[in-house]
Amino acid sequence: DAKTTQPPSMDCAEGRAANLPCNHSTISGNEYVYWYRQIHSQGPQYIIHGLKNNETNEMASLIITEDRKSSTLILPHATLRDTAVYYCIVRVTSGTYKYIFGTGTRLKVLA
Amino acid sequence: EAGVTQFPSHSVIEKGQTVTLRCDPISGHDNLYWYRRVMGKEIKFLLHFVKESKQDESGMPNNRFLAERTGGTYSTLKVQPAELEDSGVYFCASSQVLGEAFFGQGTRLTVV
Repeated sequence: DAKTTQPPSMDCAEGRAANLPCNHSTISGNEYVYWYRQIHSQGPQYIIHGLKNNETNEMASLIITEDRKSSTLILPHATLRDTAVYYCIVRVTSGTYKYIFGTGTRLKVLA
Repeated sequence: EAGVTQFPSHSVIEKGQTVTLRCDPISGHDNLYWYRRVMGKEIKFLLHFVKESKQDESGMPNNRFLAERTGGTYSTLKVQPAELEDSGVYFCASSQVLGEAFFGQGTRLTVV
């Protein structure tokens, strides 16, 4: 199974872009990259996902390198409510669709 | 639309006792997953149901854990007998076939 590696923590100033990196160098060709976040004691919340193309939605942008060995989640204008643990996840797509979680990055948005 | 609901939100039991966790997925979601995070570790996959069938139970730690999904609706995860190392947060998630998974708020299990 592929594994993801993320920095344990990051700080970002409110209103600035938060760029969260993830390494997934052993990802297979049919495995997706998903990003979730967990705010305090809630369950993980979906943010965005992609296979090989860059993706953007109302919450964030996902940039995946051409070799698919790494990706970056971008929160364009971070707010205090974006303070959370962000998980970069590889999703298996053969037989099952389980998520393989990394250890996550604790993002703190500073006023 | 109701999200994924888990019950109870917290449970404290003694070592050797039995505990049953319940998950109600989003209506219409055939896929149901159980995950858990034990202290200091990352969130780990336990098993995956498609309707009432177990698609993948490779993450179940041992035979003290039993998951069921009778009728393909809600699911239960029973731990019998509970051990100290079973303490952690148990998450349930549901999804449509290839859609993103929606997670419940989790059940915090403490075995003393």
